[in-house]
Amino acid sequence: QVQLQESGPGLVKPSGTLSLTCAVSGGSISSKNWWSWVRQPPGKGLEWIGEIYQSGSTNYNPSLKSRVTISADKSENQFSLKLSSVTAADTAVYYCARHLGISGTRGFDFWGQGTMVTVSS
Amino acid sequence: EIVLTQSPGTLSLSPGERATLSCRASQSVSSSYLAWYQQKPGQAPRLLIYGPSSRATGIPDRFSGSGSGTDFTLTISRLEPEDFAVYYCQLYGTSPPMYTFGQGTKLEIK
Repeated sequence: QVQLQESGPGLVKPSGTLSLTCAVSGGSISSKNWWSWVRQPPGKGLEWIGEIYQSGSTNYNPSLKSRVTISADKSENQFSLKLSSVTAADTAVYYCARHLGISGTRGFDFWGQGTMVTVSS
Repeated sequence: EIVLTQSPGTLSLSPGERATLSCRASQSVSSSYLAWYQQKPGQAPRLLIYGPSSRATGIPDRFSGSGSGTDFTLTISRLEPEDFAVYYCQLYGTSPPMYTFGQGTKLEIK
């Protein structure tokens, strides 16, 4: 059973950089799956941030692309999110998730429990 | 960019009833890239349906998905108490490659 665990600071100052890590257990980030970050502001819906593949290829939400970097550390079996120039609008629960890996379909079958990040001075 | 619109915003039903949730895309999409999730308070979303009618592992057969083109439906045949939650549809688009979620439908106990 694949498990994902987010970690990182729960409080980030405005204009700073949000940095989170997703540790993967029970599976390998080198497998044929994409790995994503998704966020959810308090009381609101889900927003996809971006994804990374084992090869290092990445795709980002165009609305966040200029501020987002997703990277992977195969030796640690984890992947990371950096979001720069944060504002209060970036306050949210941040989830990491694994893609199904079934050719021709899409969906996130395993999720972390989520970590709350607040942007405030 | 494709927009997904879910309706209704809130659906009030009783256990044992049938629930029909709608997800409409702003343009025709590949049904293979449509998925549905359930989210309960304080929990991560759970994948229910993908592709758009395949049930994810461990999902009861009272959950079913259908649709094509721009209109997709999640049906819960007989509501159980644990089914009351928020439901999201999700679409993968290829130009650019990205995921979009609908705004959610809250299924509440009547």
